[in-house]
Amino acid sequence: NAGVTQTPKFQVLKTGQSMTLQCAQDMNHNSMYWYRQDPGMGLRLIYYSASEGTTDKGEVPNGYNVSRLNKREFSLRLESAAPSQTSVYFCASTLSQLSTYEQYFGPGTRLTVT
Amino acid sequence: AQSVTQLGSHVSVSEGALVLLRCNYSSSVPPYLFWYVQYPNQGLQLLLKYTSAATLVKGINGFEAEFKKSETSFHLTKPSAHMSDAAEYFCAVSDRRNTPLVFGKGTRLSVIA
Repeated sequence: NAGVTQTPKFQVLKTGQSMTLQCAQDMNHNSMYWYRQDPGMGLRLIYYSASEGTTDKGEVPNGYNVSRLNKREFSLRLESAAPSQTSVYFCASTLSQLSTYEQYFGPGTRLTVT
Repeated sequence: AQSVTQLGSHVSVSEGALVLLRCNYSSSVPPYLFWYVQYPNQGLQLLLKYTSAATLVKGINGFEAEFKKSETSFHLTKPSAHMSDAAEYFCAVSDRRNTPLVFGKGTRLSVIA
């Protein structure tokens, strides 16, 4: 049982390049999330998927797109990376956001955009 | 909409001293409340949660938190700090609807030997 896995762990991009961050969970969770973490800003929600087949914008969606590929996988795409997107990205999942189920977090992807 | 305020972005305590991390919330409905911990270079993990069963909640590693409705607070405490408690701590609130958790900005705890 691997929990929440994220690939890659580290990535360096040049401005304007694109990339997809991958996230998968093996806990049969319904809801999945993408956050970014920046110093002094805490965790900010980028996009989430309350259930398979649905996605919604969070607090900071600009410059990102997501795909809930199936129940297990939720990817985050940067179409044209900008230095402001340098951050640590976390994927998380929970059985349901309707109740008190905890969120499980992946180990993070550290992205640098030069 | 619900919100969370964590007072103090950085708290420093001596080893063996009381740890007190403050969290105040705003919610239009009775909330669920959570504390998460993040060790360096890791993701967050759950410390404890309040689900209205009891106002004093005990979590892992000797931490506990008390829900005080009159003060809209959910402060995290530990009687005696260990070096291994050095981490970042996040308070989060849920309004019990089908919406994501709202996280505070975090408090970094340093423990001095």
